[in-house]
Amino acid sequence: DSGVTQTPKHLITATGQRVTLRCSPRSGDLSVYWYQQSLDQGLQFLIQYYNGEERAKGNILERFSAQQFPDLHSELNLSSLELGDSALYFCASSVGGSSDTQYFGPGTRLTVL
Amino acid sequence: GIQVEQSPPDLILQEGANSTLRCNFSDSVNNLQWFHQNPWGQLINLFYIPSGTKQNGRLSATTVATERYSLLYISSSQTTDSGVYFCAVMDSNYQLIWGAGTKLIIKP
Repeated sequence: DSGVTQTPKHLITATGQRVTLRCSPRSGDLSVYWYQQSLDQGLQFLIQYYNGEERAKGNILERFSAQQFPDLHSELNLSSLELGDSALYFCASSVGGSSDTQYFGPGTRLTVL
Repeated sequence: GIQVEQSPPDLILQEGANSTLRCNFSDSVNNLQWFHQNPWGQLINLFYIPSGTKQNGRLSATTVATERYSLLYISSSQTTDSGVYFCAVMDSNYQLIWGAGTKLIIKP
């Protein structure tokens, strides 16, 4: 158990819908990262937050947004869902910046029908 | 951007065998990590190793930053070692760039 929690574990929804994925980092970690793992694209970095502020942005679509709250938990919002958004979404956390070891949550498996 | 290549893509071994997984990267990096994704999808950080050698039980890793490669050694393989091993390096934008992984199957 990495100490990073993600909810829900599974999510099945329809095209055009909007979903919210939640992540609680390890106690004491200030950074939260979001990743997408799909069969065709592999693992891709989406976005990083550090102590509530956006720190780095990767291949995140405009339909996706994220935020980190004062209690340091984070949410990833996916809207206008398409079939191609079906993937495993991971959250990771680290103590400080990007050079620290990242610890991954169990992931949320999103299926868009 | 940085390219990360892992080899071999697939590896099938008998329990007890040793293996070496390789990660080549196209530019200098100051952050390289090895991960294991088990058959249930959980990603586990194995090593943070931008340079040098580290060991943890039956696993060890070596990164030669000047030659832009890293090696992960698994000795006396067990069936629980099965899964996909990923190498990830950090680019200048502080993003982790991932290799495609090596899928390892350990047969009893």
